[in-house]
Amino acid sequence: KNEVEQSPQNLTAQEGEFITINCSYSVGISALHWLQQHPGGGIVSLFMLSSGKKKHGRLIATINIQEKHSSLHITASHPRDSAVYICAVSSYNTDKLIFGTGTRLQVFP
Amino acid sequence: GAVVSQHPSWVICKSGTSVKIECRSLDFQATTMFWYRQFPKQSLMLMATSNEGSKATYEQGVEKDKFLINHASLTLSTLTVTSAHPEDSSFYICSGQRPSSYEQYFGPGTRLTVT
Repeated sequence: KNEVEQSPQNLTAQEGEFITINCSYSVGISALHWLQQHPGGGIVSLFMLSSGKKKHGRLIATINIQEKHSSLHITASHPRDSAVYICAVSSYNTDKLIFGTGTRLQVFP
Repeated sequence: GAVVSQHPSWVICKSGTSVKIECRSLDFQATTMFWYRQFPKQSLMLMATSNEGSKATYEQGVEKDKFLINHASLTLSTLTVTSAHPEDSSFYICSGQRPSSYEQYFGPGTRLTVT
C-alpha cells in the first residue's frame, strides 16, 4: 500500500462543475502539498498546509490531521484546470516529499 | 513567489555522451535542491537531495557515478548524466527549498532524449 493515496485516478468534468480530489496518507507529516502539473510538464505548487483550510481563487484545500486526509476542491471548473493534480507530504523525519500517484483531471467545455 | 529555472528545457544527445542540466533559483537562496525524474504517466521519483557545499545524497538504486550532482552555490545545482543511454531518456525536474521551509519550488523540467 502506498504511503500517499489519491482518488480518483482520473476525473472528467463539464465546465462549471464542482470538483473534489481526495488524498489519504499513512505517515506522520510536517506538511501536505497540492501540486499541479500541466501537459507541458511544469509543476506548480498550489498549496502547502499543515492544518485547517486554505483558499486561493477557485481552489480550496483542506486537511484533517486526525484522519490523515486532505481534499482539494475546484469550484466552477474551467477547461484550463485540466491537469494532473498531485498530493505530496513532507514526512516528519526528512525534507523529502512522498508523492501520490496523481489525479488526471479533464474539464470539457 | 519563488522561481526556479532549468536549462536546457529539452536536449537530444547520442548514446555515450554526457549531458549537463542546470537548475537555478532566481529569486531566493536554495540551501537544498532536489532532483527528480519522471517517466510518462508516472509520478515523480526522487533521485537525489543536494545541500549547498556538500555531497549529494542519492536514493537507493540511483547510480551516483552516472548521475553527477553538484550544488556549488545557493542558487545553482547541476545534474550531469554521464555516458547516457536510451534508457536514461526521461523528464528531469529539479526543485529548490529555502532554509527551514518544507515548501519546494519546482523548475519547468528538462526533457532528455538519448538516441
